Parts: sequence; structure tokens; C-alpha cells
Amino acid sequence: ETGVTQSPTHLIKTRGQQVTLRCSSQSGHNTVSWYQQALGQGPQFIFQYYREEENGRGNFPPRFSGLQFPNYSSELNVNALELDDSALYLCASSLWPGQSHFGNGTRLTVT
Amino acid sequence: ELKVEQNPLFLSMQEGKNYTIYCNYSTTSDRLYWYRQDPGKSLESLFVLLSNGAVKQEGRLMASLDTKARLSTLHITAAVHDLSATYFCAVDGDFGNEKLTFGTGTRLTIIP
Repeated sequence: ETGVTQSPTHLIKTRGQQVTLRCSSQSGHNTVSWYQQALGQGPQFIFQYYREEENGRGNFPPRFSGLQFPNYSSELNVNALELDDSALYLCASSLWPGQSHFGNGTRLTVT
Repeated sequence: ELKVEQNPLFLSMQEGKNYTIYCNYSTTSDRLYWYRQDPGKSLESLFVLLSNGAVKQEGRLMASLDTKARLSTLHITAAVHDLSATYFCAVDGDFGNEKLTFGTGTRLTIIP
């Protein structure tokens, strides 16, 4: 059974650019959640996808958007990058409540 | 708005000692989670607590939940260096199932 994999592991972008981060969920997991973790902080919930539909959103602006594909993998897109978007982005997949498995994250640096 | 507070934020303790990390949350939640994070790494699930009075133990770590007080504790027994990490508690409920609100984390350093 493969775990949750995220790509890329590191990324450097310039302010104003757009970025796409990818997440392959654990086999059979139909729910994917995305979190942003700034340095020295706890992760913050961005949004969740369940069977290709957005299923809840945290306090993030619309320039944070996502997709989930039929194989339950997911993308997080961020437009018009700002310096404060620099963070570790974590993806978690689950099949049942209480069973979230986190990927290793993508470290995004915005300069 | 659901708030999750941990204390202490930083904890430095000697090997062999016992200590407790506290996690308070502001509204009713179905589940309370504890995670461990090593520097630059992802989150490792430690415990999921589901009901009032729940207690779970794994090695030198024991977690408990008091839903009436909205308080969870993570107790460390006879600490060893390998337990050095940042520990987070999290609850779901503000945004729904599996949409976690995390505490600020407790950075634990075990000194030989």
C-alpha cells in the first residue's frame, strides 16, 4: 500500500507568479485535504475535496484553488503569489474520519 | 471560531523526567488528535481520541481526553532523546470532519 506522495518537494517562485502543487492520495482514500504550515506555526486548513467536489474551505482567499481527479489525486493552485505564501504545504488523505495520513509536504518559497 | 491552545510552547527537559503537554479547545469536537513533527518533516499521527475519558498509550507517551473540560493531555514518561520533536494537537469540528484545526505546537527538547 503506497502512502501519500506530494510533488515537488521544494519550489521557488517569484511574487506574482502562479504555482501548482500535486498530491497522490493513499490507495482507496477518496478524501484529500490541504494545509498550509508557515514556519514555526501549526498547519492551517485550506480546503478539502471529496469525490472530486470541494467539501469545505478554510479562511483562505479565492486565489487558492484546487482540483481532485477521478483517481482521487489532487492539485492545489495558488495564483498571484505573495511573500506570505511561503510555507510548507501538506496534503492529507483519508477514507474514514480519524484516519488522515499526511504526505511529506512541498516547501514553497516565494521571493 | 474554534481555537486550539497548547502549553507550554517550548519545553526543555532532562532525560528520565516526566512532563505533560496541555491542549485546550474552545468548542465541541468529535475527535482530538495528537501529531509529532520532526524538523522539516511531515506530521506523524500519534493518537486519535474519540470520547470523554479516552486514554491511549504508546511507549512513553500517553494521551487522555476530557471533553467536558475541553482538555487533552499528552504525558511523557521517562523522556528519552528520541522524543525531541514538535507535538501538535488538533481537533475537527469548525470546518467539519477531517478538517483539522491545529494548536500552535509544543517544541520539546530532551537534554541528555
